[in-house]
Amino acid sequence: GQNIDQPTEMTATEGAIVQINCTYQTSGFNGLFWYQQHAGEAPTFLSYNVLDGLEEKGRFSSFLSRSKGYSYLLLKELQMKDSASYLCAVLDSNYQLIWGAGTKLIIKP
Amino acid sequence: IAGITQAPTSQILAAGRRMTLRCTQDMRHNAMYWYRQDLGLGLRLIHYSNTAGTTGKGEVPDGYSVSRANTDDFPLTLASAVPSQTSVYFCASSDSDRASNEQFFGPGTRLTVL
Repeated sequence: GQNIDQPTEMTATEGAIVQINCTYQTSGFNGLFWYQQHAGEAPTFLSYNVLDGLEEKGRFSSFLSRSKGYSYLLLKELQMKDSASYLCAVLDSNYQLIWGAGTKLIIKP
Repeated sequence: IAGITQAPTSQILAAGRRMTLRCTQDMRHNAMYWYRQDLGLGLRLIHYSNTAGTTGKGEVPDGYSVSRANTDDFPLTLASAVPSQTSVYFCASSDSDRASNEQFFGPGTRLTVL
């Protein structure tokens, strides 16, 4: 079956750095996405990785290793507004997105 | 309209009633999707449409139907609602001609079936 694993919840301190991991087992791979979802709101796109390596976008970076079925989202200089759920999703061989359950990130002052 | 809109925002429905959730996008995206999101679970795909006039079944299609008469609209119908269909429903769209195939989401419909 297809499976996306990510931690259920993480806590970090304002101004610090946090890494959210995602491992996947899917039928085929056509890219990995990270989305941010604030409570009661819709998911919004953060990043897309299809090749191995690190993609940096401001305070957020995303890393992919296809051979290990692994990705992480790195958030730097954490701000209170970064408190949200972070969703990992993989585009499978049928170009359907398979979603993880999300990681709830709690930022403390 | 800017992006994707969904209606209603929320709804309480008696079991056995028929309900249509509306979704409209103005981005001229060819692909559209319906997901449900339940606590502790990832987004689960109900139905999708790769282009106007075609639809396909996702992971959890039972009890739901969709139509795609034109590019902009993608309504989701519950023929006879049951309590297990209580959930938050998100509509999304994407330009599947783009390599990233990023999906854009509507604000969601919170549905409670009693």
